[in-house]
Amino acid sequence: SQTIHQWPATLVQPVGSPLSLECTVEGTSNPNLYWYRQAAGRGLQLLFYSVGIGQISSEVPQNLSASRPQDRQFILSSKKLLLSDSGFYLCAWSVSGYQETQYFGPGTRLLVL
Amino acid sequence: SQELEQSPQSLIVQEGKNLTINCTSSKTLYGLYWYKQKYGEGLIFLMMLQKGGEEKSHEKITAKLDEKKQQSSLHITASQPSHAGIYLCGADMSNAGKSTFGDGTTLTVKP
Repeated sequence: SQTIHQWPATLVQPVGSPLSLECTVEGTSNPNLYWYRQAAGRGLQLLFYSVGIGQISSEVPQNLSASRPQDRQFILSSKKLLLSDSGFYLCAWSVSGYQETQYFGPGTRLLVL
Repeated sequence: SQELEQSPQSLIVQEGKNLTINCTSSKTLYGLYWYKQKYGEGLIFLMMLQKGGEEKSHEKITAKLDEKKQQSSLHITASQPSHAGIYLCGADMSNAGKSTFGDGTTLTVKP
């Protein structure tokens, strides 16, 4: 069966510090991978999605970047965190293709102080 | 403007009561997904609807997509405290494999 992992679970970082959040998927090959941010009381905002290694699409211009160095690894990064980067970050995967169900990881709660 | 509107924003019901949550779009939905989320946790997939008029059930939860494929309703029968959480609808609005999500409905079930 497929599983998706995210770490860390929680993170408190000072403004201006770098960020690296990691997401890995097990039990599947060539998945589509997604990064979302969820603000308190709001739905999910798609940040990045990837259909293959090295293929990243950005949905919202911002202070963050994503990379996919391996087939089942998706990394969310920032060189300098802003206060507005605080939130709940969720990684998801789906079978490659359209209209495929997305399955979510447990999330990382980021607090930038 | 929000592409997917969920209503109500929050809901408090007595245990045993039925309830309905709605998800509405002005555009055709190519795939409609319902998820449940406990606060601070990931989303749990409930069900997916693709065809106009389609209806699916998962335990005591039933979801339906209207014929025009622009609105979905999630109905819970005889609610229990275990049903409490945030319900989110997501949809593929462009048939491009990317989903848009509603803001969620927070459900509280009072014992």
